[in-house]
Amino acid sequence: GNSVTQMEGPVTLSEEAFLTINCTYTATGYPSLFWYVQYPGEGLQLLLKATKADDKGSNKGFEATYRKETTSFHLEKGSVQVSDSAVYFCALSDPSNTGKLIFGQGTTLQVKP
Amino acid sequence: GAGVSQSPSNKVTEKGKDVELRCDPISGHTALYWYRQSLGQGLEFLIYFQGNSAPDKSGLPSDRFSAERTGGSVSTLTIQRTQQEDSAVYLCASSLGGQGALNEQFFGPGTRLTVL
Repeated sequence: GNSVTQMEGPVTLSEEAFLTINCTYTATGYPSLFWYVQYPGEGLQLLLKATKADDKGSNKGFEATYRKETTSFHLEKGSVQVSDSAVYFCALSDPSNTGKLIFGQGTTLQVKP
Repeated sequence: GAGVSQSPSNKVTEKGKDVELRCDPISGHTALYWYRQSLGQGLEFLIYFQGNSAPDKSGLPSDRFSAERTGGSVSTLTIQRTQQEDSAVYLCASSLGGQGALNEQFFGPGTRLTVL
C-alpha cells in the first residue's frame, strides 16, 4: 500500500539555521507529493507540491525535489525564521485515484531567536 | 472569499452518544474530503465525495461512522455510539475536483471531538 515516512521531531533550530526535514514514500504508480504546514492554532495549508519526478516545488523560501530514484521528497530551507515554527506534514496523492491524501506523521519545528 | 468552514469547533460528548459534525466547503468545489487527526494515528483519510458519484468510504474505521453530502455542497459526518478512541480533530477539505491529485485541497479549521 501507499505510505509516507517522515523524520521524527521535534526539530529545534536557531534562527537563520539550515533546515532539512526528511520524507520518503512508498507508492504504486506515480503519485503527486506535497508538503502541508500547520501553524499554531491554524488549519492545514499547502506549502508546496510536485507532480512528477525531478519537479521542484518551492514557496516562502522552502524547497523540495521529487526524487523517484530514492523515493524521497525532503523539505529544505536555507535560513529559518521564528515564524516558521509549525508542524510540517509530507503527503502523497495517487493521481489515478480520488486525490485523497496519505500523510506522514508530521514533524514539529521550533525555531528559537 | 470564504474558506472551508466547520462546526462546531469543539464538541464534548459522553461515550455512547451520537454526534454530527458539519462541513461547508468552498463554493464551486465539487470534491470534499474528511480526515481525522489523532495523537495515535496521525492524519487519516476517512471519506471522499465527488459531485454525484458514489463516495469513496474506504477510510471509515467502522460502521459507526457515516457521512452524507446533500445537494453537492454541505457535508455531515455522523458518529454513532461514540467511543473514547473516536476522540480526535476531524478535518474537512474541499477542492475543485476533476484531476483530484492536481487540485489543491483547502482545509477547514477542524472540529475537536472529545469523548468522555
